[in-house]
Amino acid sequence: SQQGEEDPQALSIQEGENATMNCSYKTSINNLQWYRQNSGRGLVHLILIRSNEREKHSGRLRVTLDTSKKSSSLLITASRAADTASYFCATRQTGANNLFFGTGTRLTVIP
Amino acid sequence: SAVISQKPSRDICQRGTSLTIQCQVDSQVTMMFWYRQQPGQSLTLIATANQGSEATYESGFVIDKFPISRPNLTFSTLTVSNMSPEDSSIYLCSVRVPVGETQYFGPGTRLLVL
Repeated sequence: SQQGEEDPQALSIQEGENATMNCSYKTSINNLQWYRQNSGRGLVHLILIRSNEREKHSGRLRVTLDTSKKSSSLLITASRAADTASYFCATRQTGANNLFFGTGTRLTVIP
Repeated sequence: SAVISQKPSRDICQRGTSLTIQCQVDSQVTMMFWYRQQPGQSLTLIATANQGSEATYESGFVIDKFPISRPNLTFSTLTVSNMSPEDSSIYLCSVRVPVGETQYFGPGTRLLVL
């Protein structure tokens, strides 16, 4: 399969805690993008990290990329109930035009 | 960035019928994509739709079942033909903006086939 794998499949934390989600993929990539999806609605783009980058920050989000291990992680700090959603990683393979999605992590933040 | 709208937002259809989903973008884009998300699943690419050429379909998807039009750089349609309950999914339109390579998604069309 061209899809990546994410773990955990589901994560439940208390508000204020940090949440970490991991993504692994199989082929060489041009970039990796993280998305959030609330209750089966459209996807909201969170952050893009290129293959030559190792870490990026955006507000409470921190993304790392390890191309040698073909893996990425998304850290959400000081989580809020509004962060409750499904999170997907998606990779653009080298030479490809489209994105292939991971299996997703369902995050629940308990107030 | 790109703002994408889709019509309809949701529909309930009878098996054997067809539904055409529209995707409108607020800027001209070369690359447009259609994805399917089955209940509780991740997104699967159906096809890539480029203006001026036929859509390119991924393995497992065929033009007869999912015909696509791309008449200009801001609009595309996806038709789900001869529907069955297995076609019940969310269908999402997506575009890739040239600068930065970010890919944006529309709000999706939630389809239920009875």
